[in-house]
Amino acid sequence: GESVGLHLPTLSVQEGDNSIINCAYSNSASDYFIWYKQESGKGPQFIIDIRSNMDKRQGQRVTVLLNKTVKHLSLQIAATQPGDSAVYFCAERGGGGKLIFGQGTELSVKP
Amino acid sequence: DTGVSQDPRHKITKRGQNVTFRCDPISEHNRLYWYRQTLGQGPEFLTYFQNEAQLEKSRLLSDRFSAERPKGSFSTLEIQRTEQGDSAMYLCASSSVLAGPHNEQFFGPGTRLTVL
Repeated sequence: GESVGLHLPTLSVQEGDNSIINCAYSNSASDYFIWYKQESGKGPQFIIDIRSNMDKRQGQRVTVLLNKTVKHLSLQIAATQPGDSAVYFCAERGGGGKLIFGQGTELSVKP
Repeated sequence: DTGVSQDPRHKITKRGQNVTFRCDPISEHNRLYWYRQTLGQGPEFLTYFQNEAQLEKSRLLSDRFSAERPKGSFSTLEIQRTEQGDSAMYLCASSSVLAGPHNEQFFGPGTRLTVL
């Protein structure tokens, strides 16, 4: 069936370095993707989104890249901080607005 | 704090018991979603409401699960005859279709269910 998944389950980076989290999706008809951050004991928190008619979108310290040719999403976090430590999920929007999440990547930031 | 609240935050129950969770969405949001999340996995969609109408239910939502949103505001999710496999975090999210094409979903903190 259709799914959204992540390449790497864990990522460890040094504080101040840039982080790149990857995601593969299988539904070529998907038109909207979102990245969420989930801290321990909390619900997912919206970070940034991108529509399928875009290749790149930038926010504050975060950039999402979309490569529709290979059905790949990435989240780039600039100057990673300890507060960025969390699990990151990409999600695809399905019918009715429901979200289809991947497995998640745990980002650990070393001081 | 996203403005979406869930109660209780934690629930421990014995197998076979019934449990009910409550979600209070952001007040002007007309869509409400329930998801289930097991350890190390992303949330999985269960069901959603637009106002008081339940518009879609996942195949994950067995006959033992029922959700309501009687007045189009808060919602309840009931699990009857709980099984150990029901142990998970149950997340609620709300959004407004009037907010634009992206309909960002705001998640509550979740209810963690442990079935012994």
